Amino acid sequence: DTGVSQNPRHKITKRGQNVTFRCDPISEHNRLYWYRQTLGQGPEFLTYFQNEAQLEKSRLLSDRFSAERPKGSFSTLEIQRTEQGDSAMYLCASSLVVGVQETQYFGPGTRLLVL
Amino acid sequence: SQQGEEDPQALSIQEGENATMNCSYKTSINNLQWYRQNSGRGLVHLILIRSNEREKHSGRLRVTLDTSKKSSSLLITASRAADTASYFCATVPVIQGAQKLVFGQGTRLTINP
Repeated sequence: DTGVSQNPRHKITKRGQNVTFRCDPISEHNRLYWYRQTLGQGPEFLTYFQNEAQLEKSRLLSDRFSAERPKGSFSTLEIQRTEQGDSAMYLCASSLVVGVQETQYFGPGTRLLVL
Repeated sequence: SQQGEEDPQALSIQEGENATMNCSYKTSINNLQWYRQNSGRGLVHLILIRSNEREKHSGRLRVTLDTSKKSSSLLITASRAADTASYFCATVPVIQGAQKLVFGQGTRLTINP
């Protein structure tokens, strides 16, 4: 257990439905990242927050995706009008930036299946 | 897009043997990190090696980095059944801002008892 928690752990939904995932980072960590991992592949960066500010979004993050970190603590990732191609593991990671180097601590992930 | 490529994609060895996994990447990096992922679980950070370092050890792990060849290797000595997992290298490209990790496709390691 890294101290990063994600809920739910599993989500099955029908195509076209909206889903929301939550990530609770390690409490003193100021950076929070979202990644997506499909079967047999490594994780791919989606977006990240520095405190409450969303500073970068990948091209993978279509308009149907939105992420928030309202008070610089927990974060939510919402997918609207889900598609079968959204089926993946969604991973959250947090880090405390000290100097130049940082280590990201990953949560257990939310596995999404879109039927 | 993924930068790193791990080699081999799958590796099966007997318990007690050493396991070596290789990673190649494409762009200049700040550091390179290795992670482990048990099936269906999150990633666990193993070790970080900075771009100005050539070798690093942590317990049974030994990591090398050759920035001229843009490659790294992870050696696990005296393997155990509990080492069975997927191993990913992740690079941090030289760019201001976030240390967003760029992962390879991973090596699936199986340790046979």
